[in-house]
Amino acid sequence: DQQVKQNSPSLSVQEGRISILNCDYTNSMFDYFLWYKKYPAEGPTFLISISSIKDKNEDGRFTVFLNKSAKHLSLHIVPSQPGDSAVYFCAATSAIGYALNFGKGTSLLVTP
Amino acid sequence: DGGITQSPKYLFRKEGQNVTLSCEQNLNHDAMYWYRQDPGQGLRLIYYSQIVNDFQKGDIAEGYSVSREKKESFPLTVTSAQKNPTAFYLCASSIDPPGVTYNEQFFGPGTRLTVL
Repeated sequence: DQQVKQNSPSLSVQEGRISILNCDYTNSMFDYFLWYKKYPAEGPTFLISISSIKDKNEDGRFTVFLNKSAKHLSLHIVPSQPGDSAVYFCAATSAIGYALNFGKGTSLLVTP
Repeated sequence: DGGITQSPKYLFRKEGQNVTLSCEQNLNHDAMYWYRQDPGQGLRLIYYSQIVNDFQKGDIAEGYSVSREKKESFPLTVTSAQKNPTAFYLCASSIDPPGVTYNEQFFGPGTRLTVL
């Protein structure tokens, strides 16, 4: 059963605008969340993470928001650039977890 | 340069044959992992190893085997018992084993296995 869900398989955004990628989780034991970016035929690269003691974490153009009561997190990319076009995976784990639980990914296309 | 290497990048196998995928890291990480990715799917955990000479099954371990004789190496064997072996295989590592500290996993470039 999928414990981490990314319900939008794809998203298209114009260059310079904001990209918002969403992720929902079902396991209340999850307390650490990560976003990975992946290009075709390559391994995922770590982008940004957030602990459950925070509700926001920012790194340059990337911000992750966490709403624990809704079991929802989102990744904001501002401003979006064509090089951001990739598949973005949301992942979650817990202090007693042994691995990352991944969503199915959202394919982001940033058009000029 | 520190990193994770996987070889080969593309691998073809005849049905019924075993094949071993290589994963090496020079990051001095304790924990290593194997994931499988299928089209339109997230990454699913096959096996993980927290320390040398120790490894645990993940969610989809059937038809796979691993070894961890050295800290830097974690090869994955896809056996003939694996019913749908064609997939993209990703190796990862992290500084500490899970449950010790939170830390992100670093991924290798992947190996695409195709069974003919």
